[in-house]
Amino acid sequence: AAGVIQSPRHLIKEKRETATLKCYPIPRHDTVYWYQQGPGQDPQFLISFYEKMQSDKGSIPDRFSAQQFSDYHSELNMSSLELGDSALYFCASSLQGRTYEQYFGPGTRLTVT
Amino acid sequence: DQQVKQNSPSLSVQEGRISILNCDYTNSMFDYFLWYKKYPAEGPTFLISISSIKDKNEDGRFTVFLNKSAKHLSLHIVPSQPGDSAVYFCAASGRGGADGLTFGKGTHLIIQP
Repeated sequence: AAGVIQSPRHLIKEKRETATLKCYPIPRHDTVYWYQQGPGQDPQFLISFYEKMQSDKGSIPDRFSAQQFSDYHSELNMSSLELGDSALYFCASSLQGRTYEQYFGPGTRLTVT
Repeated sequence: DQQVKQNSPSLSVQEGRISILNCDYTNSMFDYFLWYKKYPAEGPTFLISISSIKDKNEDGRFTVFLNKSAKHLSLHIVPSQPGDSAVYFCAASGRGGADGLTFGKGTHLIIQP
C-alpha cells in the first residue's frame, strides 16, 4: 500500500539558511500533520492542515511556515535556521481530519551546521 | 509539563510471553489514544487506537485497555515476537478535528529469544 512520502530524506544546511521540506500524503488523504523530533526526544506537533486550511497549531516557531496545496501535498518552510533546528521532521496524513488514524512518513533528517 | 507519560524507558520480555506497556495521561480533554511502534531512523508505525468512550480495543496480537478514571492505558502484545523489539510511543489527541498528537517519551521493548 502507498505510504506517506517525504522529500528530501536528508538535508544539510548552514545557520541562517532556509529549507523547504515536502510531504505527499497517502492517496485520498486530505489531512496533513507536521512533527519535529529532536535527538532522544518524543515527536513534537508543529502544525496541521485539513482540506488546505490550517487546522491545529502546536509549537511551531515563527520562523517556520507551512501550507497545503490543491493536490493535498504540503510544504514546511524554515527560515533563519538555527543549530537547534537539527532534528527529524515527520509528516503524517489522515483521512477527513481523523486524528486517531495518523500515518507517518519516513521523516526528513535536517542537520544545521 | 509532560501530559502523556511513559514511566518505563525500557522493558525486556521473553519471546512468546505477554508484553505490557503502560501509559498515563493528565489531560482530561484527550479523546483518542494511539500506540505507535518506531524503529531507529524510521517514521512511527501506527498500531492501534482507542476512543475515550471505550475501554478496550483489539487487533490481532495487540490489545489496548483504557481506564479513564485512572487516566491510564496499556498496550498488551500476545504472544511477543522478536520483530516486536522497538520503541513504543503512546500518543493522545483532543477533539478529533485534525488535532496534533501529544506523545509520551517512549518505551524501548526488547524481546529476548
